[in-house]
Amino acid sequence: DSGVTQTPKHLITATGQRVTLRCSPRSGDLSVYWYQQSLDQGLQFLIQYYNGEERAKGNILERFSAQQFPDLHSELNLSSLELGDSALYFCASSVETAVEGYNEQFFGPGTRLTVL
Amino acid sequence: SQQGEEDPQALSIQEGENATMNCSYKTSINNLQWYRQNSGRGLVHLILIRSNEREKHSGRLRVTLDTSKKSSSLLITASRAADTASYFCATVPRGTYKYIFGTGTRLKVLA
Repeated sequence: DSGVTQTPKHLITATGQRVTLRCSPRSGDLSVYWYQQSLDQGLQFLIQYYNGEERAKGNILERFSAQQFPDLHSELNLSSLELGDSALYFCASSVETAVEGYNEQFFGPGTRLTVL
Repeated sequence: SQQGEEDPQALSIQEGENATMNCSYKTSINNLQWYRQNSGRGLVHLILIRSNEREKHSGRLRVTLDTSKKSSSLLITASRAADTASYFCATVPRGTYKYIFGTGTRLKVLA
């Protein structure tokens, strides 16, 4: 158990819908990362938050958005869903230093999203 | 091609043998990390090697880093069936906070 929790574990929805994925980082970790893992694209970095502020953005679509709340939990919002958004979505957290990420990430169990 | 590519893509060995997988990357980095993923599960951190280190050991794991060639290797000695998993390298290009994971090596250890 990494200490990172994600809900829900599974999500089945239809094209055009909007969903929210939730992540609670390990106690004390200020950074939260979101990743998308699909068979054809591998593990893609989406976005990172550090202590409530967006720190880095990766291959995140405009239809996707995220935020980190004062209690450090984070939510990833996916809207206007398409079939190609079906994937495993992972959240990870880490203790961050003041400079570029040097630290190991702890991954949650993931949310499996199926868009029908 | 993307930053962080592992080879081979797949590797099948007998229990007790050593497994070596390689990672190549494109830009200057501060550190390189290796992760393991069991099928459909979250990734688990294995080892981190800093850019000023050439070799690091952790139990049955040995990691090397050659910054001149922009490559790293992960050696698992005396492999066990429980080592069956996918292995990924991850880098953070210098000057960014973006973690870039490689394409992964699928290791199968036969009992």
